Formats: sequence, C-alpha cells, structure tokens
Amino acid sequence: DAKTTQPPSMDCAEGRAANLPCNHSTISGNEYVYWYRQIHSQGPQYIIHGLKNNETNEMASLIITEDRKSSTLILPHATLRDTAVYYCIVRPPAGTALIFGKGTTLSVSS
Amino acid sequence: KAGVTQTPRYLIKTRGQQVTLSCSPISGHRSVSWYQQTPGQGLQFLFEYFSETQRNKGNFPGRFSGRQFSNSRSEMNVSTLELGDSALYLCASSLAVAPGGYDTQYFGPGTRLTVL
Repeated sequence: DAKTTQPPSMDCAEGRAANLPCNHSTISGNEYVYWYRQIHSQGPQYIIHGLKNNETNEMASLIITEDRKSSTLILPHATLRDTAVYYCIVRPPAGTALIFGKGTTLSVSS
Repeated sequence: KAGVTQTPRYLIKTRGQQVTLSCSPISGHRSVSWYQQTPGQGLQFLFEYFSETQRNKGNFPGRFSGRQFSNSRSEMNVSTLELGDSALYLCASSLAVAPGGYDTQYFGPGTRLTVL
C-alpha cells in the first residue's frame, strides 16, 4: 500500500499558486519524497524530490516539514496545462519500485 | 537527450494471444522498470531489470515476463492474454549508477493495450 495520503481533488485558478499537500507520517529516515504528475493517458512526469531540505526547480517547489511527516508541492503560477493527477511517493532505497497511490487531481481553471 | 521511448503506442489483441512490448531507455540509463495502469488498480509495478537481470518483481502472474538486452533496451511479454490485461503499460528508466543510491525514474509515454 502507498505510504502517503493526499486529498483526492483540488481546484486552482489560473495564475495562482497551487499548493498540494501530502501526509507521510510513517516515512523512514532514509526515504525521499518524490512527486510525479500524470496528464491524461500520458506517462507520469517527474517533478521534484527531496529528503529534508526544501527544494526548488524550474517546475515547482517542495516544502518538507521539519519532522518529515508531511510535505507540500507548490506550483507558483498554475496554468491550464498543469491540470493533471499529482502523485506524492515515499521512495524506498534504489532498486525497488515506486508505489503509486491515487494521487490528487488538480484542476486549473481560467 | 531523447526520453524513454515505447513501441508500439497502441495495440489491439484478442484473448489467448500473446504480446511483446518494447522499451528503449534514456541513453546511459541501466535500469528499466515496467508498470501496468488500469482504472481499477491504478499504477502497479510489474518488474525491474538491471544489467540484463531481473532485480525486483511485483505481484503479477507468470504470464507476465520481461527481459533486458545488453544495450539496456527491454521487452515485456504477456502470454495467453485475458480481458483484464487491457491497460496502459509504462516503462521507466533510471541511471542506477551506484547500488543503494537514489535514482529518479523517468517514464515513457506508454503502450495502450486493448484485449478483445
């Protein structure tokens, strides 16, 4: 079973920041938090990952709480093309599978 | 750098037939993983190959098999197709440089298999 809990759906207005929460209260010390998204019927797209510190790249920012029990993916200026299912995954050590939950369906509207 | 490619993109088969799907990883990537995605079960891990060896396997029947070639390209095969095998089959590749290291998996566009 997935080790994360995400809200099933969220809405966001175009141009506003989208903040997607994820709970991972049983995360182990050596496990990373990964985020992927999947636009309808396409392959999942890697967004960002982190261990303890906050991370930022050209797509998004990842904020991880100090106790590492939850995190938030931030899309700073959401566009219609950001409408997708977003998956938060706690990653076991390399060589093992990604375990996908149901994710959060983000709907961005104009 | 080219991404992960999968062929064919769409496939229609009938029950009882077998099918082979192909995946070409990102250049330099040594690990290839396969996933099945259905509306009912979501994204589920099938197996992972590294250096031509199956390194990890999900909970699927023996009808599902795979292999990896010396150039890291991978194929998966499903024999005796059932209606429930209709799904999007996804391949993901990663560098897998160091054992125990964390490697990001990058996904291909998938092969949509329909079993009639």
